[in-house]
Amino acid sequence: KNEVEQSPQNLTAQEGEFITINCSYSVGISALHWLQQHPGGGIVSLFMLSSGKKKHGRLIATINIPEKHSSLHITASHPRDSAVYICAVLGDSNYQLIWGAGTKLIIKP
Amino acid sequence: GAVVSQHPSWVICKSGTSVKIECRSLDFQATTMFWYRQFPKQSLMLMATSNEGSKATYEQGVEKDKFLINHASLTLSTLTVTSAHPEDSSFYICSARVGESYEQYFGPGTRLTVT
Repeated sequence: KNEVEQSPQNLTAQEGEFITINCSYSVGISALHWLQQHPGGGIVSLFMLSSGKKKHGRLIATINIPEKHSSLHITASHPRDSAVYICAVLGDSNYQLIWGAGTKLIIKP
Repeated sequence: GAVVSQHPSWVICKSGTSVKIECRSLDFQATTMFWYRQFPKQSLMLMATSNEGSKATYEQGVEKDKFLINHASLTLSTLTVTSAHPEDSSFYICSARVGESYEQYFGPGTRLTVT
């Protein structure tokens, strides 16, 4: 079993829909990152969380430490949100990131 | 936010040649830099961790004589793929961290194709 599991693996939705991507992990962590990777390959850091909730524009990220779970939400989704969203956790025994497999999101106009 | 650049953004080389990829932190000093590779449709895999002025720490299965990492200054780390082979074709990404911060800043990546 992978230490970081994301669901769903693939998600296709219509423009305007509310999107939720989930991340569960099985290790102790210092922090959790949500990242976005566009087809060109570049990675953009969206959020780093160690507790609670963060919001940036239409993106919201939450983390539940006791349940070892985080969610990334996109409100009023748009085709430009189409990308792979990656959850990565920073283990609390070292500073290495453990990566989820990513969720490929396609938003149709 | 902090910016990390990589150069080149893509490179095509012939089998047997060496390729150097640069990773620079543009507006901050990176005490630690990480190098990742990503095969198509797969997660990023950590290759090595480098701290300025010291030898890189390589992950299991990564050949340190093939993937030479130099972190000569607080703003520059280089990855040299020596005697490249087609199976080295991949997307290489660096990231940088300041001190003991949890924040990591990612470079845009370098796509290497070995023919």
